[in-house]
Amino acid sequence: GAGVSQTPSNKVTEKGKYVELRCDPISGHTALYWYRQSLGQGPEFLIYFQGTGAADDSGLPNDRFFAVRPEGSVSTLKIQRTERGDSAVYLCASSPMGGNGYTFGSGTRLTVV
Amino acid sequence: GNSVTQMEGPVTLSEEAFLTINCTYTATGYPSLFWYVQYPGEGLQLLLKATKADDKGSNKGFEATYRKETTSFHLEKGSVQVSDSAVYFCALVDSGAGSYQLTFGKGTKLSVIP
Repeated sequence: GAGVSQTPSNKVTEKGKYVELRCDPISGHTALYWYRQSLGQGPEFLIYFQGTGAADDSGLPNDRFFAVRPEGSVSTLKIQRTERGDSAVYLCASSPMGGNGYTFGSGTRLTVV
Repeated sequence: GNSVTQMEGPVTLSEEAFLTINCTYTATGYPSLFWYVQYPGEGLQLLLKATKADDKGSNKGFEATYRKETTSFHLEKGSVQVSDSAVYFCALVDSGAGSYQLTFGKGTKLSVIP
């Protein structure tokens, strides 16, 4: 597609529920990144994929967070047993390969009530 | 580890005023530096970048120079417009560390009034 697409744009869920956030990168971009932006803060790195594999998952805060990219294109960020502190905007970005040239999606605003 | 520190906002300026947003960084390697902008209701957009010392990035009247000696990348614009109202983020990528993750500052909100 023309840009990075993230769905849903907004998600409200109850504490303890499971959520999935989807990212559809620019066609042909091999690198894909997930970031989390809390209110009043800059985006914080979560995980980086090169192709199908997670090249760097050092930013995932705990084992409730998991992400996959099974075919090297669309990625899904999965959060188990959501907590109110997980409320944030989750951003996805892609680039032709690791390094410069990132394009960000508009994000998914997750609210845990 | 890597970090980015930028001046806290909010910053309020009158139209046609001069803008400076300070940004300093620490990095273990030799980073590339970026300014991103987030307009109200929109996603992050790359504003400008610089990949080596003394490089100047520029776009839409904004400029920033990569200063290795002071580890800084301050954003400047000579005459701001109301349409420049947004949140500005300084960021770096330290590809020498083996990962291409962006490290962001906390952001500076700019409001330009007519």
